[in-house]
Amino acid sequence: SQQGEEDPQALSIQEGENATMNCSYKTSINNLQWYRQNSGRGLVHLILIRSNEREKHSGRLRVTLDTSKKSSSLLITASRAADTASYFCATPFSGNTPLVFGKGTRLSVIA
Amino acid sequence: DVKVTQSSRYLVKRTGEKVFLECVQDMDHENMFWYRQDPGLGLRLIYFSYDVKMKEKGDIPEGYSVSREKKERFSLILESASTNQTSMYLCASRTRVEDTQYFGPGTRLTVL
Repeated sequence: SQQGEEDPQALSIQEGENATMNCSYKTSINNLQWYRQNSGRGLVHLILIRSNEREKHSGRLRVTLDTSKKSSSLLITASRAADTASYFCATPFSGNTPLVFGKGTRLSVIA
Repeated sequence: DVKVTQSSRYLVKRTGEKVFLECVQDMDHENMFWYRQDPGLGLRLIYFSYDVKMKEKGDIPEGYSVSREKKERFSLILESASTNQTSMYLCASRTRVEDTQYFGPGTRLTVL
């Protein structure tokens, strides 16, 4: 059961550039979350945005949410080689159900 | 800081063996989850537990079972391992009221 779908599947940029990843989802949500996964490791929570929020910032991260379009974007500004990872969006199907993850965007930041 | 630990980072087993994957969290979280992650398929939910002694099937429970005898520990059991269970297994936990899930480092299981 797929809820979120990230786009693009892979992204390669130079260090210092901005990286934008998008997520589309199918059903109404009360929140949407972004996670990062370094190669071969577990997922790390980055940011959560609630359905009544339109934009949220955390350091170099900026997340937007458009509930009318059922989409979200994650912007990483001034990217660094250490940002190289896979990024996933995740939403609960409803209420307190487990998160459902998209397939992720693989970001490569070239020094 | 929340800490979720998994018993092994890498595990190699033979077809037909019974395999136990252990997950322990130290933050008194009620909810715990097991996912598997495969290339091109993303994370898929195997089983989850809302509290001690409770378990719910996820999207792909076939070939797996779970045990939650203590709040901090959630075990995934492969009753008779098969080669198609070769995968990365990820455990996660969260509180009953919080939406964020905290993940362990993962166990990469190879079944020969």
